[in-house]
Order: sequence, then structure tokens, then C-alpha cells
Amino acid sequence: AQSVAQPEDQVNVAEGNPLTVKCTYSVSGNPYLFWYVQYPNRGLQFLLKYITGDNLVKGSYGFEAEFNKSQTSFHLKKPSALVSDSALYFCAVRAQTGANNLFFGTGTRLTVIP
Amino acid sequence: DADVTQTPRNRITKTGKRIMLECSQTKGHDRMYWYRQDPGLGLRLIYYSFDVKDINKGEISDGYSVSRQAQAKFSLSLESAIPNQTALYFCATSSVGLAGGTAYNEQFFGPGTRLTVL
Repeated sequence: AQSVAQPEDQVNVAEGNPLTVKCTYSVSGNPYLFWYVQYPNRGLQFLLKYITGDNLVKGSYGFEAEFNKSQTSFHLKKPSALVSDSALYFCAVRAQTGANNLFFGTGTRLTVIP
Repeated sequence: DADVTQTPRNRITKTGKRIMLECSQTKGHDRMYWYRQDPGLGLRLIYYSFDVKDINKGEISDGYSVSRQAQAKFSLSLESAIPNQTALYFCATSSVGLAGGTAYNEQFFGPGTRLTVL
């Protein structure tokens, strides 16, 4: 079975500090991994994805994520947080073979404090 | 994403009523999806369609039905709404990848429909 865990419901960080939003996954075989962001009253927006190749993936708005196969993790990071980064972040996974469903985590609310 | 539109944006209805949520897209994508979002549960897949003639159940299809009227339109129906179907509903689309592979293509989401069943 495929699943995603986002262990933190809420992450608070001061503006200018680095941020990390954690994600671990469970799939059979190799994964495709995604991060999405949701701003208030908006749909989800794609940030970045890991398909294959380099473990460090760079995405929109200065975000990056590192795929760690041994730890089955795909943590989202940004070197310097902005107040405008405050939003709800979702990690998602699907296996490279088998069912086509994309499985989402429960979301982490990031608050960047001015 | 303005390329994926959902109507209505908000709806309040009563238990037992039939409700239809509509989704249209101008991205030219073949693949469309319906999700519901509940606080603390993330997004869960209700139905998905890979083309006009292809409809598949997702994780939580009971109590829902869908219709793919055209490549650009995918509607979700609640035949007899119940209060635990109160949620935020999202439509999404994705393209067919290289050599027919689709798994690695990101999905594009509509703005959502907030449905309340009293």
C-alpha cells in the first residue's frame, strides 16, 4: 500500500531563517514524489517533483527537496523563509508501477513569523 | 489555476438532495480527477478519468458518480447528499507523458468547491 506521512501539522519559522517541512513515504518499488502548496481559498499549486536522477530537486519560489531512499523521505526546504511562504503544504507519492493514484499526506501548515 | 475552473464555488444543500459539481479545463489535458479535502485528512481521490471513455474509481467513490461529457469537462454528482459529504472538492487535470507514461506528470488543480450538506 502507498502512503505519505507528514509528521508535523504546524511548522513555525522566523522570516529569513531556513525552513524544513518533513515528508516520509511508503510505496512498493520506486516512487514518484511531489510537493504542492495551497494558499487560502485556492487550489493546490505544484512546487516540485522527484522522478529520477539527482536526489536534490529544485522547484518554484526557491524551494527544494531532497530524496533520501534509505530513509524514505522527501523533505521540503528553503534557505530563507518569506512571510509569503505561509501556506498549507502537501507531499504526495505514487509508485512508478501499478495503480495510477496519487496519495497525499495530511498537510503541514507553515507559518513564517515576521 | 485559471485553466481549471469549477462551478459552483460554494454550495449549501440539504440531506437527500442531488448535487452536481462541474469542472472545465482549457489545458487540453486528457486526464481529469476529483478529490475531496477534509481537515486533517489531506486530499483523497474520488474518481479519475484518463479519457472520455475511461472512468475509474478512486479511494472513496461510494456515494459519488461522475460523467466525462467531453475531454474538457468532468462532473461529479452526489445522488443523495449526506452531511458527511461536507468537504472541499477539487478537480485536477494532468497530461499524458512521453511514450504514454503519465505517472510523473504533475496535476493542475481548480480553485475548489466548498460543499455543505445540512
